[in-house]
Amino acid sequence: QVQLQESGPGLVKPSQTLSLTCTVSGGSISGGAYYWTWIRQHPGKGLEWIGYIYYNGRTFYNPSLKSRVTISVDTSKNQFSLRLNSLTAADTAVYYCAREVSLTSPYYFDYWGQGTLVTVSS
Amino acid sequence: DIQMTQSPSSLSASVGDRVTITCRASQSISNYLNWYQQRPGRAPNLLIYAASSLQSGVPSRFSGSGSGTDFTLTISNLQPEDFATYYCQQSYSSEKTFGGGTKVEIK
Repeated sequence: QVQLQESGPGLVKPSQTLSLTCTVSGGSISGGAYYWTWIRQHPGKGLEWIGYIYYNGRTFYNPSLKSRVTISVDTSKNQFSLRLNSLTAADTAVYYCAREVSLTSPYYFDYWGQGTLVTVSS
Repeated sequence: DIQMTQSPSSLSASVGDRVTITCRASQSISNYLNWYQQRPGRAPNLLIYAASSLQSGVPSRFSGSGSGTDFTLTISNLQPEDFATYYCQQSYSSEKTFGGGTKVEIK
């Protein structure tokens, strides 16, 4: 059974950089059939796709966040990570990591982490 | 980006009811449409992929249909555990987008 688990600070100050890691267990991140994705959900709101990374390091980001986002992968640890800089209160959200099946289209998110609440506040 | 519009934004229903949720895309997305259920405090859970394919382990009372720009999620014989928020999501574009959600509440 594949499991994803987010980790990182729950409180970050404005203007600082958020760093979150997603640890994948029960399957290899190097499988080649998946996009490893970050999605966030503002309190009481809908879902916003942030971006993904492929096992070989290829990335694609939401244009609205692209200037502030970096997603990286560490295949040796079976982890991928999110960095979001220049934080404001508008970045307060629950952050999810998820696996997108990409072997055959249409693609879909079949496994999600439990989510981690990040609050941006001084 | 492709805009996804769900309706209604909320509805009230009773156990045993048949419920239909609609999702409309701002452009044709073929069958690149997925549905998720999210219970309070939990991560979303995949119900339907490719517009009408039932994800493994999901009860058969959930079904999806549609193609192009208009899609529906139907829950027949609504059960207590089905009271949740439902989201559609398009995977036609590399930039994935979600609908605003439909909250199904107990009448």
